[in-house]
This record gives sequence, structure tokens and C-alpha cells, in this order.
Amino acid sequence: KQEVTQIPAALSVPEGENLVLNCSFTDSAIYNLQWFRQDPGKGLTSLLLIQSSQREQTSGRLNASLDKSSGRSTLYIAASQPGDSATYLCAVLDSNYQLIWGAGTKLIIKP
Amino acid sequence: GAVVSQHPSRVICKSGTSVKIECRSLDFQATTMFWYRQFPKQSLMLMATSNEGSKATYEQGVEKDKFLINHASLTLSTLTVTSAHPEDSSFYICSARDDGDGQHFGPGTRLTVT
Repeated sequence: KQEVTQIPAALSVPEGENLVLNCSFTDSAIYNLQWFRQDPGKGLTSLLLIQSSQREQTSGRLNASLDKSSGRSTLYIAASQPGDSATYLCAVLDSNYQLIWGAGTKLIIKP
Repeated sequence: GAVVSQHPSRVICKSGTSVKIECRSLDFQATTMFWYRQFPKQSLMLMATSNEGSKATYEQGVEKDKFLINHASLTLSTLTVTSAHPEDSSFYICSARDDGDGQHFGPGTRLTVT
């Protein structure tokens, strides 16, 4: 059974720092992995989608990597800003075409 | 932890028919549920916000008469794709918001219209 874990559960850093969020999954048989952002009381915003054949994706200050063999993905945020404060979720699309979600990392960027 | 289920997980239907997808919060009550759609290799897109006991709020470009949403109880929201066509084939995902403003996501429903 596929399980997705995100570490840390919460993270608070000063503005301007680079940071890394981690996501691990137990079964490497996935179609893709996605990173999402969730603001309080609002729906999801899709950030990056990495297909199983890809190693990384970049969008602006965000870079997500995928290492299927080790069951890990990282989301790298460069030059963090207070507006980056949110909960970040990763989810894998497993072999049964079901989305398996991590519990999220709550990120606070201090001005 | 809070669990959200979707039923069915996969459905294949013929063009012109209607399909109903259920989203249930199994161990908590959700006054608000969200419906998303994701086409292959594309980002997740919010379709509508469903509030218990009132009409859903649809995102721009989403046809409310085609995608009927009913949130009749605090644990169940349904999305009905009416007169489905092949271009409606997609992955539909719901999420439910709990009292603490946390959101919990379902596993998704894969719809294929032939």
C-alpha cells in the first residue's frame, strides 16, 4: 500500500532563506508526483507536476526533484518571501491511478 | 486522521450519458467541499466550491448546467457530469474542509467517456 510522508510537518524560516521541503513515498510504481500549495480556507494551487520519467521540474523560484528509486521528492524554494507562507502538499498518482496525499508541511516565512 | 472517499474510483460511460461521482467525509463533517479536475499531464484545476445547503460557486469557464453539484449533507457532496462527452474524460478530485480549516483530499475518480 502506497504511503506518502512529508517532513517536516512545520517549518519557520526568516525571509530570504532558501529552503527544502521533503516528500517520501513507499512504492516507486507511480505515474507522477505533484506539489501543491494550500492557503488557509482556500482550495489547492498546483505548483509542479513531475512525470515518473522526469527528474525535476522548475517554475520560477521553485524546483522540484524526483528520485523514484529512493522514493523521494524535494521542493526547493529559493529566496523565500512572506507570501510563500502556506501549507505545501505532495501527492503521488499510484499504479491504481489514485492520488495518495502527504499530510503537508506548514511553512511560515518571517519578515 | 480525517478520511475522504470518492466513488467510483473509475468509471467508463458512453457519450451522452450522465455520471455521478460521490465525495464523502468519513469521520468528520464538512460544510465546504471542493471539486477539481485534472487532464493528463496538466495541473489540477478548481472547478467549484460546494457549500452544504446552498448553491455551489463555480470557477470561470466551468458550466454549472453541465457539472451539477449537490452538497445535501455535511458528509456528502456529489458531482454529476451531464450529457458527458469524450472531452469530459478527466481525473476528478474532491476535497473536504474540516472545522479547523484543514483540507483533506479524496483519491480521485477517473472518468473515461467513449
